[in-house]
Amino acid sequence: AQSVTQLDSHVSVSEGTPVLLRCNYSSSYSPSLFWYVQHPNKGLQLLLKYTSAATLVKGINGFEAEFKKSETSFHLTKPSAHMSDAAEYFCVVSVYNDMRFGAGTRLTVKP
Amino acid sequence: GAVVSQHPSRVICKSGTSVKIECRSLDFQATTMFWYRQFPKQSLMLMATSNEGSKATYEQGVEKDKFLINHASLTLSTLTVTSAHPEDSSFYICSAGPGHLSGNSPLHFGNGTRLTVT
Repeated sequence: AQSVTQLDSHVSVSEGTPVLLRCNYSSSYSPSLFWYVQHPNKGLQLLLKYTSAATLVKGINGFEAEFKKSETSFHLTKPSAHMSDAAEYFCVVSVYNDMRFGAGTRLTVKP
Repeated sequence: GAVVSQHPSRVICKSGTSVKIECRSLDFQATTMFWYRQFPKQSLMLMATSNEGSKATYEQGVEKDKFLINHASLTLSTLTVTSAHPEDSSFYICSAGPGHLSGNSPLHFGNGTRLTVT
């Protein structure tokens, strides 16, 4: 079965500085990979997805992620953090409808 | 874009009563919907997969008699927490995707239901 590891439980950045949220996956098959964001007491919103097309994926709100098969990674980045980016972020790996969630990374943005 | 509506957003109930949570796909038909439970500061735990017109598939350790799932139409799935107890207090989230999911289709999530059992 596939699995996903988010390497940092908490990331803190200053507003205007780059964001890097790390995700590594494990899968015996070619996976689909997703990043979701969750604000407090809300559901999950899809940021971006990788489904075997371009390895550099652009999402909403200026986020992007790069699929690196050799490193089994799918790190999420953003050039410049905004206060509104503070939230919980989940990396998800999916194979044939079997979705596995990472433990989540809480992003804090300092003014 | 696809929208999933979950209702209610918050519910407080007394121990021993039952609570029903609804999950609707507003602009697409969802053959499959998923129910998750999320504990504070933790990730989502898949409880069950809801299949339209058939019985739900429950994950190991989830009591099917306690968490009743009904998926009577292509746009509505319900989760009923029966005889609720304080330990059932949690954040419940549903998700759905258009049509038959291939694993490539991203799921769309409801806004969740905060259940508090007193």
